[in-house]
Amino acid sequence: AQSVTQPDIHITVSEGASLELRCNYSYGATPYLFWYVQSPGQGLQLLLKYFSGDTLVQGIKGFEAEFKRSQSSFNLRKPSVHWSDAAEYFCAVGAESSYKLIFGSGTRLLVRP
Amino acid sequence: EAQVTQNPRYLITVTGKKLTVTCSQNMNHEYMSWYRQDPGLGLRQIYYSMNVEVTDKGDVPEGYKVSRKEKRNFPLILESPSPNQTSLYFCASSGSGAITDTQYFGPGTRLTVL
Repeated sequence: AQSVTQPDIHITVSEGASLELRCNYSYGATPYLFWYVQSPGQGLQLLLKYFSGDTLVQGIKGFEAEFKRSQSSFNLRKPSVHWSDAAEYFCAVGAESSYKLIFGSGTRLLVRP
Repeated sequence: EAQVTQNPRYLITVTGKKLTVTCSQNMNHEYMSWYRQDPGLGLRQIYYSMNVEVTDKGDVPEGYKVSRKEKRNFPLILESPSPNQTSLYFCASSGSGAITDTQYFGPGTRLTVL
C-alpha cells in the first residue's frame, strides 16, 4: 500500500538559513509526488509536483524538491528561509490509476527572527 | 477569483445533532473531495465525486454522507455527529480528478462535537 512518511514533526530554522524537509514514500511503481503548504488558518496550496523527467523540480516561493528513487525520497529545500515561510508542510503521493492523494502527517516549520 | 469556499468556517455542536458543511467551487471542476485533518495523521480522504451524481467512499467514510446534485456544490453531511468527528475538514476540487490535475483546497472548517 502507498504511504508517506515525514519524519520531522517540527523544524525550527533561523531566518535566512537553508531548509530541508524530509519525505519518504512507499509505492511500487513510479509515484506522483507533491508538496503542499498550509499557512495558519488557510487551506493547502500546491508548492510543486513531480511526475517524471528531471528529478529536481522547481516550485513557487523559491522552493525546490529532488526525487531520489534509490532512497524513495522527495525532500523539499529552500536556500534562504523567510519569516513568511512559517507554516505546515505536507508531502503527498498519488498513483496514475487513482484519484486519491495519500498525505504524510506534516512538518511544522518555525522560523526564528 | 477562482476558489473553493466552505461554510461555516467554525462550528461547535453537540452529539447527535445533524449538520451540513457546504462546499462550493467556481472553476467548473468535475472532481470534488472531502478530507479530514487530524494531528499526526495528515489529511485523510472521506468521500470524493467524479461528477454530478457520482460519489464514492474514500479512506474514512464512516459517519459521513455526501451528495453531488450540482457540479459546483459538494456538501458534507453528518447525520449524527460524535466527538470522534471533531476535526478540521477540507474540501478540494480539480479539473478531471486525474492525479496530474492540481487540487485546489478550501480554507477549512473546524468542527467541534461536544
